[in-house]
Amino acid sequence: GAGVSQSPSNKVTEKGKDVELRCDPISGHTALYWYRQSLGQGLEFLIYFQGNSAPDKSGLPSDRFSAERTGGSVSTLTIQRTQQEDSAVYLCASSTTFTGTAYEQYFGPGTRLTVT
Amino acid sequence: GESVGLHLPTLSVQEGDNSIINCAYSNSASDYFIWYKQESGKGPQFIIDIRSNMDKRQGQRVTVLLNKTVKHLSLQIAATQPGDSAVYFCAGEYGQNFVFGPGTRLSVLP
Repeated sequence: GAGVSQSPSNKVTEKGKDVELRCDPISGHTALYWYRQSLGQGLEFLIYFQGNSAPDKSGLPSDRFSAERTGGSVSTLTIQRTQQEDSAVYLCASSTTFTGTAYEQYFGPGTRLTVT
Repeated sequence: GESVGLHLPTLSVQEGDNSIINCAYSNSASDYFIWYKQESGKGPQFIIDIRSNMDKRQGQRVTVLLNKTVKHLSLQIAATQPGDSAVYFCAGEYGQNFVFGPGTRLSVLP
């Protein structure tokens, strides 16, 4: 079956512009996660959704970052007034459950964001 | 905050040898750990996981060892193959999110 997909795969934007990154999780996966991976760095947790709600927004770097999920499926991560330090690969993952015994997260290929 | 880190940023092994990738974590509150493999240009791929009530778990050519006393986690890859070349991340569950280490780049030498 289809895995997690993300779009666009690459995004180059000018400093100060807004960007929207999209994630399509695996069908039926109730949990969805956003991570950021800077060059040569590990994964930084941003936010997760259980269904359409986001119980934990503490990982969002600033109020320029927001995310939403509708219909328990597609999620959008929005970065307003982008800064050069926002340049990174943004990864989305989904899993069947967050609080159960199976935490296996399936990752998408990521969106590489470059802010010039 | 919580931290999960790796002892070595890079590791080179001969093809056919066993690889051991290490990871340390700071908070004993986590009861779930995962190892991920990330190949160039791809998202992380789940390899194996372990709960804190276990000290060892085996998969296909991989073994994860957990030493809660010293807060240490390791991934062992048997008979390392060229296709194992990748960056390996450990992650620990803290509260309702996962904290990832910076990763170890494994290079398999012919």
